[in-house]
Amino acid sequence: SQQGEEDPQALSIQEGENATMNCSYKTSINNLQWYRQNSGRGLVHLILIRSNEREKHSGRLRVTLDTSKKSSSLLITASRAADTASYFCATDEGSETSGSRLTFGEGTQLTVNP
Amino acid sequence: DTEVTQTPKHLVMGMTNKKSLKCEQHMGHRAMYWYKQKAKKPPELMFVYSYEKLSINESVPSRFSPECPNSSLLNLHLHALQPEDSALYLCATGRQGSRTNEKLFFGSGTQLSVL
Repeated sequence: SQQGEEDPQALSIQEGENATMNCSYKTSINNLQWYRQNSGRGLVHLILIRSNEREKHSGRLRVTLDTSKKSSSLLITASRAADTASYFCATDEGSETSGSRLTFGEGTQLTVNP
Repeated sequence: DTEVTQTPKHLVMGMTNKKSLKCEQHMGHRAMYWYKQKAKKPPELMFVYSYEKLSINESVPSRFSPECPNSSLLNLHLHALQPEDSALYLCATGRQGSRTNEKLFFGSGTQLSVL
C-alpha cells in the first residue's frame, strides 16, 4: 500500500526559480529517499535522509525531515529545464533480514519552463 | 547510464502467452527487486530477493513468477496475464541484502502491453 502522499501533484515554474515538493507518510521509517524519473524511464536516486537526521544537502538539493509531523520536503534551487521530471519520495520500512523495502509516494510532476 | 540492464525494453503479449522479463547487474549487489508501475502512478513493490532468496512477496498473483538463478540475474516469468497487468516493470538492485538505509539502482524498465 502507498503511504507517501506528495503535494503538489504538479508544479510548473520558470528556469532559475526554486521548486519545493512535500511528502507525508504514516508509519515509522528507517529513512526517507527522493527519486527522480524522466518520462517512461527508470528512477534515479537523488538523496537519502535517515530518521535521526533533520536536514541534508546535495548540490542544488535540500531535503528536510520532520519525524514528529511525518513529513519531508525537497527543495531544488536555481531550477533548470533539465530538472523537468517526476519526483517521488520513498519511505524505507525494511528490516535487517529483508533489506531496504521502499514504498513510493504519489509523486510530483515538475515542469521547468525555459 | 544505468548499470542495471532490463530486456526487452518493450513487450506485447496475448493473454495466453508465456513470456519472461530479464534483469542483469554486475555491481555485486545482493538485493534485487521487481516493481510494477502503471501510467502516472508510483512504482509498487512486487518481490524482493535477498542473497538470491525470495524475502518479500507483496501478495502478487501467481501468474507472475520470479526467479533469481544467480546473484547477477533476476527473471520475472509471465503466464496468463490480464490486460490490467499492462504496465512498466522495473528491476532495481541494492548493495546489501540484509541492511536498511540502502539506495536502490533502477533499470530502465520493460514496457509491457497485454492484449
